[in-house]
Amino acid sequence: DIQMTQSPSSLSASVGDRVTVTCRASQSIISYLNWYQHKPGKAPRLLIYAASTLQSGVPSRFSGSGSGTVFTLTISSLQPEDFATYYCQQSYNVRWTFGQGTKVEIK
Amino acid sequence: QLQLQESGPGLVKPSETLSLTCTVSGGSISSGGSYWNWIRQHPGKGLEWMGYIYYSGSTYYNPSLRGRVTISIDTSKNQGKNQFSLKLNSVTAADTAVYYCARTDDSNPSRGMDVWGQGTTVTVSS
Repeated sequence: DIQMTQSPSSLSASVGDRVTVTCRASQSIISYLNWYQHKPGKAPRLLIYAASTLQSGVPSRFSGSGSGTVFTLTISSLQPEDFATYYCQQSYNVRWTFGQGTKVEIK
Repeated sequence: QLQLQESGPGLVKPSETLSLTCTVSGGSISSGGSYWNWIRQHPGKGLEWMGYIYYSGSTYYNPSLRGRVTISIDTSKNQGKNQFSLKLNSVTAADTAVYYCARTDDSNPSRGMDVWGQGTTVTVSS
């Protein structure tokens, strides 16, 4: 299986901060990388697919980049509703795997 | 608007079979266009994809589940039901988790899971 490793596991930030989460794949996944936002008790939400394409309805402060084995999710100006856990997921092969998550907390 | 909702027992005894249903509204499983997935999240852990089913009945499972999992489309005994199911046999405490169903667009499966249910908590305990 392709292993996905996120860093950091958690971070504290303030409203208005620029936040970056990194996801590394154990092998090249080209651009087959998706990002999700998950809040407690809620359904996970697809934010970005194909490494950098914003899902319909997702605010433009979210962006994704990368290819091969290293990918980043950036929130340009953190908003109160963005405090959540973020997961990356590879869709390079059908044995889809997720990163362990990055929890974004209020500083 | 497509919506998914999981349902099933919240408590299952060790060695028994966990059975969950995902009810789909705002769309039809039988009309195609989607892969229907099950994903779970162990307490305090990340997400684990368990498998999917296509409207044709073809399935793909996570090999880590070692043949314990079956996903099926429910043949409706009640008119209008639009559901798919998860069965996980020989459960142990390690199967305690929140279980989610989710949809993937079959026109480009690499785009991830774009519609999710709210999740249902299953505890395995005697």
